[in-house]
Amino acid sequence: DAGVTQSPTHLIKTRGQQVTLRCSPKSGHDTVSWYQQALGQGPQFIFQYYEEEERQRGNFPDRFSGHQFPNYSSELNVNALLLGDSALYLCASSLVGGQGSGNEQFFGPGTRLTVL
Amino acid sequence: AQSVTQLDSHVSVSEGTPVLLRCNYSSSYSPSLFWYVQHPNKGLQLLLKYTSAATLVKGINGFEAEFKKSETSFHLTKPSAHMSDAAEYFCVVTEGFSGGYNKLIFGAGTRLAVHP
Repeated sequence: DAGVTQSPTHLIKTRGQQVTLRCSPKSGHDTVSWYQQALGQGPQFIFQYYEEEERQRGNFPDRFSGHQFPNYSSELNVNALLLGDSALYLCASSLVGGQGSGNEQFFGPGTRLTVL
Repeated sequence: AQSVTQLDSHVSVSEGTPVLLRCNYSSSYSPSLFWYVQHPNKGLQLLLKYTSAATLVKGINGFEAEFKKSETSFHLTKPSAHMSDAAEYFCVVTEGFSGGYNKLIFGAGTRLAVHP
C-alpha cells in the first residue's frame, strides 16, 4: 500500500519564477492538504482540496494556488517566487468521513524548495 | 481561534530517563489533538491522537499523552527514552469532525535530544 508521495524531492528556483509541486495521496484517500514548513518552524496550513475544489484556505496570498485531479492527486503552484517561499512543502491526505481515522492526515516526505 | 503552544523549544534527556514534552492548546470547540514526530529528512509520523474518547491516549513506541480539559493541556510522556527518540515533536490541534475537512494547527515544535 503506497503512502503519500511527492515530487520532486528538491527544487531550486530564482526569484520571480513559478513552481509546481505534485502530490499523490495514500490509496483510498480523497482529500489533499498542503502545508508550508519554514526552517525551524511548525508546518503552516496552505489549503485543502476535496472533490477537485478548494475547501479551506490558510493565510497565504493568491500567488499560492492548487488543483486536484479526478484521481485525487494534487498540485501546488506558486507564482512570482520570493526568497521567503523557501521551505519544505508537505502534502497530507485523508478520507472525508472516514471511520476511526477520519481525522488522521498522512504526510508525504515533502518537497524542499530553495529560492535564490 | 485555535492555537497550540509548545512550552519548550528544546528538551534534553539521558537515555533511559523519562520524557515530558509540554503542550497547551486553545480551542473554542471540542478539539481533536495529536502529536506528530519528524525525524531528520523524513516525513511527519502520527504518534497518537485524542478525539473525545479516553483522556489517556497511548501511541506508538511507548509514548502516551493525557488530555486535561481543565488545564487545556495535552502533554506527551514516555517512561524511558531511547536514542532513536531524538527528533522534532509537534503538538497539533484541529476542530473535531467538520465534514472531514480538517485543518491542522501545529505548534512550533520541541526538539528532543537523547544523550547516552
